[in-house]
Amino acid sequence: RKEVEQDPGPFNVPEGATVAFNCTYSNSASQSFFWYRQDCRKEPKLLMSVYSSGNEDGRFTAQLNRASQYISLLIRDSKLSDSATYLCVVNVNTGGFKTIFGAGTRLFVKA
Amino acid sequence: DVKVTQSSRYLVKRTGEKVFLECVQDMDHENMFWYRQDPGLGLRLIYFSYDVKMKEKGDIPEGYSVSREKKERFSLILESASTNQTSMYLCASSLAPIEKLFFGSGTQLSVL
Repeated sequence: RKEVEQDPGPFNVPEGATVAFNCTYSNSASQSFFWYRQDCRKEPKLLMSVYSSGNEDGRFTAQLNRASQYISLLIRDSKLSDSATYLCVVNVNTGGFKTIFGAGTRLFVKA
Repeated sequence: DVKVTQSSRYLVKRTGEKVFLECVQDMDHENMFWYRQDPGLGLRLIYFSYDVKMKEKGDIPEGYSVSREKKERFSLILESASTNQTSMYLCASSLAPIEKLFFGSGTQLSVL
């Protein structure tokens, strides 16, 4: 079992749709959580951190469920420019810290 | 604005060549990382460094070495490039191990 698992997709949605991605993690010592966005042939860029209480940034909402060990990303009112791969990232305390990346979920937003 | 700069965007090398990938960050970050990214496998950590002259192996260090002589610069070395090292290489830095990563724009390396 992978330490961080994501549905690879692709998710194909029309403009204006709401889409949600989940990411599960296996290590209960996971301490910090992030969503990154990666455009084709570009580097990953931080989209948002994920806090225990949940957090929102414009059309994007991130949630953390420690009991079930998953994080989620909700995108409302999808734009064409949201088309990208979304990476779930987890930092695990293993004595030192280890950053683990999910393989990513591809999103295509169509006109 | 934060910046991580990788020396080459695209690189083509021959099997057996020694390859240097350079990475420079201007944020005075202690932590620097080298990842490779392959389709379906996600990002995998090759090496990281928490301080000058300090290095730690990541998940896939075989066939690679690193050098950190100055805080701002972290170099990845392929001693004898092989075709299975064809990949996208991404350098990153962070203020602290638990903090967010800032990535360079990547080097697409092809080994023929």
